[in-house]
Amino acid sequence: AQKVTQAQTEISVVEKEDVTLDCVYETRDTTYYLFWYKQPPSGELVFLIRRNSFDEQNEISGRYSWNFQKSTSSFNFTITASQVVDSAVYFCALWNDYKLSFGAGTTVTVRA
Amino acid sequence: DAGVTQSPTHLIKTRGQQVTLRCSPKSGHDTVSWYQQALGQGPQFIFQYYEEEERQRGNFPDRFSGHQFPNYSSELNVNALLLGDSALYLCASSSTTGTFHNEQFFGPGTRLTVL
Repeated sequence: AQKVTQAQTEISVVEKEDVTLDCVYETRDTTYYLFWYKQPPSGELVFLIRRNSFDEQNEISGRYSWNFQKSTSSFNFTITASQVVDSAVYFCALWNDYKLSFGAGTTVTVRA
Repeated sequence: DAGVTQSPTHLIKTRGQQVTLRCSPKSGHDTVSWYQQALGQGPQFIFQYYEEEERQRGNFPDRFSGHQFPNYSSELNVNALLLGDSALYLCASSSTTGTFHNEQFFGPGTRLTVL
């Protein structure tokens, strides 16, 4: 069985602060993909980043960066210099066998 | 290029009734997945349709059924509605061709309320 855990329920920061979201996953499969999605109040899930299980290289894409550590089954996500528009619910997800398994989500509130 | 569309936006039903939700995939996509998102929770996978057949199914009862049409659009049917079926129902489409076959594009969802 697959499981994704996001231990942080809510995070509140002031604009321009960095925000790091934690994600821990469980899977018995050797091939899988990890995703981060953003869900603004409108409800539509927006794809942010993807990483496959064979590539542990951490990268930066604009204000987004991620830290994938297979040894600890973690896939953490950081927003640098947060903005009010970053306020949303963020979901970590594990893809395998045609389906996504989501965590419970972390609500991020960025105050001006 | 239209993204994933869903209809209706909102729906109110009473217990025991049946409901049909509709989804049109993103242009060029041939696979449709359905997810249920209860308030305050992450989406839960219901099932996926490819080539007009159910390819994978999550842990949902048989009251939940679906269909995919030759134009790749899809329907989700829920029979004998329960109060617990109240949720946001998300449709996602993807393409079996191309590099990122597992990248799912989500629609805006249908908010179902069961009274």
